[in-house]
Amino acid sequence: DADVTQTPRNRITKTGKRIMLECSQTKGHDRMYWYRQDPGLGLRLIYYSFDVKDINKGEISDGYSVSRQAQAKFSLSLESAIPNQTALYFCATSASLGQGAGNEQFFGPGTRLTVL
Amino acid sequence: QKEVEQDPGPLSVPEGAIVSLNCTYSNSAFQYFMWYRQYSRKGPELLMYTYSSGNKEDGRFTAQVDKSSKYISLFIRDSQPSDSATYLCAPTGGGKLIFGQGTELSVKP
Repeated sequence: DADVTQTPRNRITKTGKRIMLECSQTKGHDRMYWYRQDPGLGLRLIYYSFDVKDINKGEISDGYSVSRQAQAKFSLSLESAIPNQTALYFCATSASLGQGAGNEQFFGPGTRLTVL
Repeated sequence: QKEVEQDPGPLSVPEGAIVSLNCTYSNSAFQYFMWYRQYSRKGPELLMYTYSSGNKEDGRFTAQVDKSSKYISLFIRDSQPSDSATYLCAPTGGGKLIFGQGTELSVKP
């Protein structure tokens, strides 16, 4: 079974709709992250959470919100989707240990979102 | 200026070639330097990492960091078709990874 799962894997929606992407992990990690990936732009951090009560904005948080429901669950919402939010979205987790391999982030399989 | 700049490619090489993938960064506080590999339609996976300046070798892969010039490199020896993927450099800072744009590599049989 996958350690980091994302649902849905693919989603097509219309401009103005509210969308929620969900992420669950069984790795027991405290830290969770949401990224979007666009061609030529690499992975850009949207939000991150170092524990259940800690939520932080990343590089490109405008138009997005998150909820950390439990240690294992971290959801990303687009309150009113727009076409330039069409992208590949990844959830990732890492351990609290921040040194060496503790910096390693484990990624989910991604959600391909298309906003028409 | 982006914190991390990576040669975007794409890069196409014949099987057996030596491949050099490069990044530059601007934040001198970075201490750990990660390389992730991403196959098509998959999430990125950690390939290897280095701490501070120097080289680290893992099989056919060598990661190199020169902190004085803020330059990061990944070398692949005897490249194989199975190495075809996107490679992302990612220095770390404040518990976060700062990703480069990624270089798409294709190794032709």
